[in-house]
Amino acid sequence: DQQVKQNSPSLSVQEGRISILNCDYTNSMFDYFLWYKKYPAEGPTFLISISSIKDKNEDGRFTVFLNKSAKHLSLHIVPSQPGDSAVYFCAASYGGSQGNLIFGKGTKLSVKP
Amino acid sequence: DADVTQTPRNRITKTGKRIMLECSQTKGHDRMYWYRQDPGLGLRLIYYSFDVKDINKGEISDGYSVSRQAQAKFSLSLESAIPNQTALYFCATSEYSHPATDTQYFGPGTRLTVL
Repeated sequence: DQQVKQNSPSLSVQEGRISILNCDYTNSMFDYFLWYKKYPAEGPTFLISISSIKDKNEDGRFTVFLNKSAKHLSLHIVPSQPGDSAVYFCAASYGGSQGNLIFGKGTKLSVKP
Repeated sequence: DADVTQTPRNRITKTGKRIMLECSQTKGHDRMYWYRQDPGLGLRLIYYSFDVKDINKGEISDGYSVSRQAQAKFSLSLESAIPNQTALYFCATSEYSHPATDTQYFGPGTRLTVL
């Protein structure tokens, strides 16, 4: 049973526009959420995270929003750039998981020039 | 130089063969992890180690074993490889700071094909 779900396998966005990647979770124990970005032939790299005590975290063009009541988080990229084209993984953890991450299946973002 | 390295980067082997994937890190982290990625399935945890004397099974440990030779080295073995172990394998490390805020750093991956 998937605890972290990324229901959109792919997303295509025009350069300069906003990209919104979504993630839903089922385990109410999760208290820390992360986004990783993965380019082909490379390992995932950490992008941004958010603690469950917050509902928003910003880092430059990247913002993560957390809606705990809906068990939903989203990653906003504004403005989108062709170099943002990658697979984005949502991940979650909680204290009881000893820091182990549960990953979603990923969303492939394509930013077209 | 990369902080987390994996060898080999690509490997083709035959069913029944023993194979070892190696991971080394220069980040000085205590925690190390092995994941596999299959198309459409995201990353799944195979084994993890919180220090040299601590080894734990992850979600999909059957058919795999690991060895933590030193703080910087964590190896994954397939004792008798089978075709459904064909996947992309990633090693990761983290510096434990808080149970809920541990960020993991990944190696470049090993693409394993079992014929």
